[in-house]
Amino acid sequence: EAAVTQSPRSKVAVTGGKVTLSCHQTNNHDYMYWYRQDTGHGLRLIHYSYVADSTEKGDIPDGYKASRPSQENFSLILELASLSQTAVYFCASSERTYEQYFGPGTRLTVL
Amino acid sequence: AQSVTQPDARVTVSEGASLQLRCKYSYSATPYLFWYVQYPRQGLQLLLKYYSGDPVVQGVNSFEAEFSKSNSSFHLQKASVHWSDSAVYFCATGNYKYVFGAGTRLKVIA
Repeated sequence: EAAVTQSPRSKVAVTGGKVTLSCHQTNNHDYMYWYRQDTGHGLRLIHYSYVADSTEKGDIPDGYKASRPSQENFSLILELASLSQTAVYFCASSERTYEQYFGPGTRLTVL
Repeated sequence: AQSVTQPDARVTVSEGASLQLRCKYSYSATPYLFWYVQYPRQGLQLLLKYYSGDPVVQGVNSFEAEFSKSNSSFHLQKASVHWSDSAVYFCATGNYKYVFGAGTRLKVIA
């Protein structure tokens, strides 16, 4: 069974609209992460969290908010979606400094 | 600052041939290093990891990688590739906050 799941798997949003991407993990990991992947590029870290009710900024946090209401759940929020936020978004979890386990990704298209 | 460079954006090899995908890293301390594979429309799957000790690490599906501190490298290798190895391969480094390379797209041809 998949240990990191994401919903939705695909979404089309309008410019200026609000988008929420959800991630759920059953690994019992403390750390969770949100990355974006653009065509031809590697993954870049947006936000991460190492404990419930707390989030930290990653390398490219502008335009994104995150929420970690429980150990298992981590959401990425785009308050005002823009064309430049069209990308594939991946959630991951890890046991502190150990390897990360990734979800299947959410393909977001902003029109 | 940490960085990872994968100098080859695309690599094409014949089925049964050997493979090396290159990765150079920049890190101030002894790095944690990883190779991940991404199949079309899927998430990243861990191939292998290096934390310390033996510089040659074995991974899944007969992949291995060699850590070199002097060369700041962590190249991925496989003795004989199969068509199913066609995918995008990412090298990453970090201590809970990863930095990824841009990836190498591998195509295995008959």
